[in-house]
Amino acid sequence: AQKITQTQPGMFVQEKEAVTLDCTYDTSDQSYGLFWYKQPSSGEMIFLIYQGSYDEQNATEGRYSLNFQKARKSANLVISASQLGDSAMYFCAMRVVGYSSASKIIFGSGTRLSIRP
Amino acid sequence: NAGVTQTPKFQVLKTGQSMTLQCAQDMNHNSMYWYRQDPGMGLRLIYYSASEGTTDKGEVPNGYNVSRLNKREFSLRLESAAPSQTSVYFCASSESWSGQGPQHFGDGTRLSIL
Repeated sequence: AQKITQTQPGMFVQEKEAVTLDCTYDTSDQSYGLFWYKQPSSGEMIFLIYQGSYDEQNATEGRYSLNFQKARKSANLVISASQLGDSAMYFCAMRVVGYSSASKIIFGSGTRLSIRP
Repeated sequence: NAGVTQTPKFQVLKTGQSMTLQCAQDMNHNSMYWYRQDPGMGLRLIYYSASEGTTDKGEVPNGYNVSRLNKREFSLRLESAAPSQTSVYFCASSESWSGQGPQHFGDGTRLSIL
């Protein structure tokens, strides 16, 4: 079964510290993609970072990096030097191929990150 | 620079009423998606459309229908609303059916069924 698991419902981190949000996935596909999205309290979904299953280098986007460990089927998000504005819900997601060979994305249950000043 | 536009933003319905949620994107994307997000939970896929003229069921399609009206527009219909369908509904689009790039989301529709 294709599944995304986020085991941390909530986290508290001190401002300026680095934080790692955990994500594990399960798929039998050889080609897949992994995403992280941020959802602030205002409700919109903001794309953060993408990692393809064949990408050899870990993806990075500014303060965000994705620690991709294919053998362990994990795709953890690392936020360096956290800021108060990073307080939000974070979702890990995976691209899977549907019945008509079209891709769809499934989401984990999310991690609520709170940054303490 | 609108991106993905959803209407309405808020709606209250009575049980048994019907309504259609509208979604339009101006990015010339091929694929479009409808999700629901229940309180404290992640997004669950209702239906998706890989390209104009095709639709497929997602994880939770029961009680919903969709129409891919053209490349820009993808609507979600509740034929007989039930309280269990109270949720926030998100529409999203992506450039290609292969899903290499990210999905772009609308701001959501907050739907309450009384």
